[in-house]
Amino acid sequence: AQSVTQPDIHITVSEGASLELRCNYSYGATPYLFWYVQSPGQGLQLLLKYFSGDTLVQGIKGFEAEFKRSQSSFNLRKPSVHWSDAAEYFCAVVGNTGTASKLTFGTGTRLQVTL
Amino acid sequence: DARVTQTPRDKVTEMGQEVTMRCQPILGHNTVFWYRQTMMQGLELLAYFRNRAPLDDSGMPKDRFSAEMPDATLATLKIQPSEPRDSAVYFCASGFFSGSVITGELFFGEGSRLTVL
Repeated sequence: AQSVTQPDIHITVSEGASLELRCNYSYGATPYLFWYVQSPGQGLQLLLKYFSGDTLVQGIKGFEAEFKRSQSSFNLRKPSVHWSDAAEYFCAVVGNTGTASKLTFGTGTRLQVTL
Repeated sequence: DARVTQTPRDKVTEMGQEVTMRCQPILGHNTVFWYRQTMMQGLELLAYFRNRAPLDDSGMPKDRFSAEMPDATLATLKIQPSEPRDSAVYFCASGFFSGSVITGELFFGEGSRLTVL
């Protein structure tokens, strides 16, 4: 079965600093990978996704992520963080389980931005 | 602007009471997921449906939880009887799958916050 690990539970960065959130996945075949963001009291919003092709994917709000098959990673990056980026970020993988596929989430990384 | 709609947004109830949460998926989506989010467990998949048929409900406590899709515009998650440990935020999400492959993103509702006293 597929799984996702987000090793950092909580990260604090200064506004304007760069950001990298780590995500490692476990899946036997080519995965479909996602990053979602959740603001307090809200549902999850898709930032970006990787299905195939270019391993560097661009998303909304200035985020990007790079798929590295050799490292089983899909880290999320942003060159300059804004205070409004403070939220919880979830990495997710879709795997095929027989006749169906489902989305499995990591435990999330809470991002705090200091001014 | 298409969105997944969940009701109620907030529910406070007493232990032993029945709770029903409802979800209206985005029109045209053929797959609906129910997730539960708690501080301790994070996002847990409870059940999901494809073309209204249940595909996997292994994440759901069978003795008290039930999930149904009476029609394409409504998914329900019922807890009977409810217990304090069921307190969580329950999210519904919908998407379109071609065969077993997701062809886009999952859209999430804003969640139903359940508190069982």
